[in-house]
Amino acid sequence: TAGITQAPTSQILAAGRSMTLRCTQDMRHNAMYWYRQDLGLGLRLIHYSNTAGTTGKGEVPDGYSVSRANTDDFPLTLASAVPSQTSVYFCASSDLGGAGTDTQYFGPGTRLTVL
Amino acid sequence: GQNIDQPTEMTATEGAIVQINCTYQTSGFNGLFWYQQHAGEAPTFLSYNVLDGLEEKGRFSSFLSRSKGYSYLLLKELQMKDSASYLCAVMDSNYQLIWGAGTKLIIKP
Repeated sequence: TAGITQAPTSQILAAGRSMTLRCTQDMRHNAMYWYRQDLGLGLRLIHYSNTAGTTGKGEVPDGYSVSRANTDDFPLTLASAVPSQTSVYFCASSDLGGAGTDTQYFGPGTRLTVL
Repeated sequence: GQNIDQPTEMTATEGAIVQINCTYQTSGFNGLFWYQQHAGEAPTFLSYNVLDGLEEKGRFSSFLSRSKGYSYLLLKELQMKDSASYLCAVMDSNYQLIWGAGTKLIIKP
């Protein structure tokens, strides 16, 4: 089982360009999340989706957009990248409200540098 | 506001025991999670507490006191591979995880 995959692994992007970070899970989890992780700070939630067809804003949504057309995929788009978006981006998923503990499972991350 | 506090860094010796503390103030509580994160890798789930008390899982144990807003992760028989950051996170009333900044644990031979 692959779990959660993310692409690309890393990317250098010129400021002002757009980019989509891809995330796919094969666990049939209903909920998916995008976080960014910066040195010295905790993981910060960008956007989330509790079920296919719905999305919500997290703590730091500005400059990012998401869509959830189906259960498996949850892409994150930067419309016009800025240097402050340099970070490591993690996608996660969980079986929210299911029989378990709502534990979130993480993809391997995308390291993005905006110059 | 919501806040999770944990020490920035701790050092321990191989074979010893270490306790990593976490205090929290959140709007609502639906469980506390501990994750391990090795440098350059993704966080991986270690433990979950929703009721007061101790949960033991092999060399790792996690304790929760909801009245005190306090948890700790106890690591026994430390191994070099335990060198990592340990992240404390609380699920709030909206079922969102609020994360601490993590504790970097350095294990010395």
